[in-house]
Amino acid sequence: DAKTTQPPSMDCAEGRAANLPCNHSTISGNEYVYWYRQIHSQGPQYIIHGLKNNETNEMASLIITEDRKSSTLILPHATLRDTAVYYCIVRVGRTNFGNEKLTFGTGTRLTIIP
Amino acid sequence: DAGVIQSPRHEVTEMGQEVTLRCKPISGHDYLFWYRQTMMRGLELLIYFNNNVPIDDSGMPEDRFSAKMPNASFSTLKIQPSEPRDSAVYFCASSLSGENEQFFGPGTRLTVL
Repeated sequence: DAKTTQPPSMDCAEGRAANLPCNHSTISGNEYVYWYRQIHSQGPQYIIHGLKNNETNEMASLIITEDRKSSTLILPHATLRDTAVYYCIVRVGRTNFGNEKLTFGTGTRLTIIP
Repeated sequence: DAGVIQSPRHEVTEMGQEVTLRCKPISGHDYLFWYRQTMMRGLELLIYFNNNVPIDDSGMPEDRFSAKMPNASFSTLKIQPSEPRDSAVYFCASSLSGENEQFFGPGTRLTVL
């Protein structure tokens, strides 16, 4: 799986949009970008994933550059409960035999400031 | 659904003792994963199962660690004998074949004295 690079920490004011960047310059054509987050003392939680098109769900939006070498996770209106470590992971999409592993890096520690 | 259930939530034991961690995946899920999280090494995959069969155990640190999945609704991770360096939070996760999301349990915090 391709390696990802994320800033170690970020701050964001409550109510503002939080934009978390991720570099994945060695991503392969069949690899998806996944985002998980881990709130303190809890297990990681899936947020969103995408291949090349921008994606949006009830939690966040994912913007992937045209060359797919980087992406940005956007939390549109950050709340204090969004304080967590956010992990960007690249992996071959949809669980097929041999492709199920998630390799977590060090992530970005996002702190929402009141 | 109650989600992935892990027990115990906290375990404190002495070096040399056997430790057994338990996991109940979400009903219907056919993949089960065991992860370990420490400050030094982060979150790392130990082993995962598909339809109760171990697929990849390359992350299991050494022979002291073993994992079983006797049926679709139960898995154990055993450490025998335990050592202080095994102190960590152990997470279990499950997923459904063909889907993208892994669902994690609340974790077991293990302290080996």
